[in-house]
Amino acid sequence: GENVEQHPSTLSVQEGDSAVIKCTYSDSASNYFPWYKQELGKRPQLIIDIRSNVGEKKDQRIAVTLNKTAKHFSLHITETQPEDSAVYFCAASKSGGSYIPTFGRGTSLIVHP
Amino acid sequence: NAGVTQTPKFQVLKTGQSMTLQCAQDMNHNSMYWYRQDPGMGLRLIYYSASEGTTDKGEVPNGYNVSRLNKREFSLRLESAAPSQTSVYFCASSNDGHYNEQFFGPGTRLTVL
Repeated sequence: GENVEQHPSTLSVQEGDSAVIKCTYSDSASNYFPWYKQELGKRPQLIIDIRSNVGEKKDQRIAVTLNKTAKHFSLHITETQPEDSAVYFCAASKSGGSYIPTFGRGTSLIVHP
Repeated sequence: NAGVTQTPKFQVLKTGQSMTLQCAQDMNHNSMYWYRQDPGMGLRLIYYSASEGTTDKGEVPNGYNVSRLNKREFSLRLESAAPSQTSVYFCASSNDGHYNEQFFGPGTRLTVL
């Protein structure tokens, strides 16, 4: 089955800095890669996703890049703000059958004011 | 729309007790999921249901049973709770198709003594 590794497990930055979270996946057939943000005590919520036919996608201060050859994808957050502090999860899934994403173990991002 | 709702929010059980976690969604989604979240372990799939009347095991199904009561409701039952089942449990739902957002419930924090 699919295996998703996520690094780092904890990331501490100063407000205004950029943050990068990286994930690797094992199944070359995976073609959809969502990212979820979970604030403390809250539910995970989708913040951005990317499909395998696209190399990069941006939404304001957030971007995701995908390297299919290397089987890795990354979340980039620019001009970080304290409200970006949360746990971020990457996931990977493939077409065919039921939609069952495999999640990474999460990255705790701490943005210091 | 309420989205995905779960009850209860918190629960404390003694080893060997049983309980059912309830989940309902009002988005007319076919797919529903139960995850458990433990520190540093990400979101691990317990069971999922691709449609009313069908259920399938996920990564960590041992010690759990599920029922897809109707299209809206998907319950998770612990027949004989064990301390290893202490966790935060999330229900989720998604539309049909592959490139779809999962919507999560608020979670149930379960402690088994």
